[in-house]
Amino acid sequence: DQQVKQNSPSLSVQEGRISILNCDYTNSMFDYFLWYKKYPAEGPTFLISISSIKDKNEDGRFTVFLNKSAKHLSLHIVPSQPGDSAVYFCAASPLSGSARQLTFGSGTQLTVLP
Amino acid sequence: DGGITQSPKYLFRKEGQNVTLSCEQNLNHDAMYWYRQDPGQGLRLIYYSQIVNDFQKGDIAEGYSVSREKKESFPLTVTSAQKNPTAFYLCASSIHGGSVNEQFFGPGTRLTVL
Repeated sequence: DQQVKQNSPSLSVQEGRISILNCDYTNSMFDYFLWYKKYPAEGPTFLISISSIKDKNEDGRFTVFLNKSAKHLSLHIVPSQPGDSAVYFCAASPLSGSARQLTFGSGTQLTVLP
Repeated sequence: DGGITQSPKYLFRKEGQNVTLSCEQNLNHDAMYWYRQDPGQGLRLIYYSQIVNDFQKGDIAEGYSVSREKKESFPLTVTSAQKNPTAFYLCASSIHGGSVNEQFFGPGTRLTVL
């Protein structure tokens, strides 16, 4: 049972436009959410995170929105650039427990077209 | 430069052989993690360690073993008991295992079992 779902395996966007990547989760114990970016044959790199006490967090061109009632988060990239083309993973961490394990979604391949 | 190194980048082994993947970090992080990524899937947690000489099974620990004798090192052994060992293996670390902070990933090792 996938606790973190990214239902769109791919997304294509024109350069300069907005990219919106979506993520849904089922576990009510998740209280911290992260987005990672991954290029082929490399490890993921951390992009942005959000705690469940917030509904928005912004860092430059990247904004993450959290809708707790819908158990949904999204990553907005504005404006999109060709260098943003990569696989984006969302990840979630539980409220309690001795280890802050991350549960990852299956990823969305973003392609930004010049 | 601080970071996480994984070696080798590509590894080939014959079926039935054990193989050990290296992971070293000089970030002075307490916690370290091993993930596996298969095509079209997210990262799945194999093992994690919050402190030296302690480690816990993740979601898919069967057929794998780890050790944490030093803070900076967390090697993963893929044993012959692992049914489908061909995958991309990622090592990560975080400052503490029990607090909210992002995990930093190494570049990964692609293991192919022939």
